[in-house]
Amino acid sequence: SAVISQKPSRDICQRGTSLTIQCQVDSQVTMMFWYRQQPGQSLTLIATANQGSEATYESGFVIDKFPISRPNLTFSTLTVSNMSPEDSSIYLCSVGWGETQYFGPGTRLLVL
Amino acid sequence: KNEVEQSPQNLTAQEGEFITINCSYSVGISALHWLQQHPGGGIVSLFMLSSGKKKHGRLIATINIQEKHSSLHITASHPRDSAVYICAVSSSGTYKYIFGTGTRLKVLA
Repeated sequence: SAVISQKPSRDICQRGTSLTIQCQVDSQVTMMFWYRQQPGQSLTLIATANQGSEATYESGFVIDKFPISRPNLTFSTLTVSNMSPEDSSIYLCSVGWGETQYFGPGTRLLVL
Repeated sequence: KNEVEQSPQNLTAQEGEFITINCSYSVGISALHWLQQHPGGGIVSLFMLSSGKKKHGRLIATINIQEKHSSLHITASHPRDSAVYICAVSSSGTYKYIFGTGTRLKVLA
């Protein structure tokens, strides 16, 4: 299995600012995913990030709001831009490994 | 109607009870996954099933492909089992999951 870490684990931010979340994997992986989990809801896929190509965004998510970088096979960042209180969520990264996904511990974001 | 449905949504049990969480799906799948999410937010992958039954410690997962149904059982439940249990399905050739809405389990001492 893959071991995944995320930074920060939690943050409180002011509206209008941006936050970059880092995801580090202990092995080289091709596919990484970014999810949002709003309070009381299940996970929603934001985008798929493959190394060497542009991220593929799901319906309802745009690059200007959630820019993603994938500079190598062990690291990715998600930026939440121009934040509003509606962006308060848990953000999780995951990786495809074998036939399953392994998830990071999540970043708990509160926007005031 | 969601493509992956879980029941119950919430479940409270006494320590030691046998617990069953159900998952039904309406799409073609290559695998079904059971995930556990603790209050801190992190998600652990418990099982991946494509047929039959798997067991790990006190956890048992079964799947009936013909009926498009899976169950997660917890034997001798313990307060540390308190978490949200999420069913997800995936199709051949993709890592993408379709998630159920989750079952929030609370086990009382």
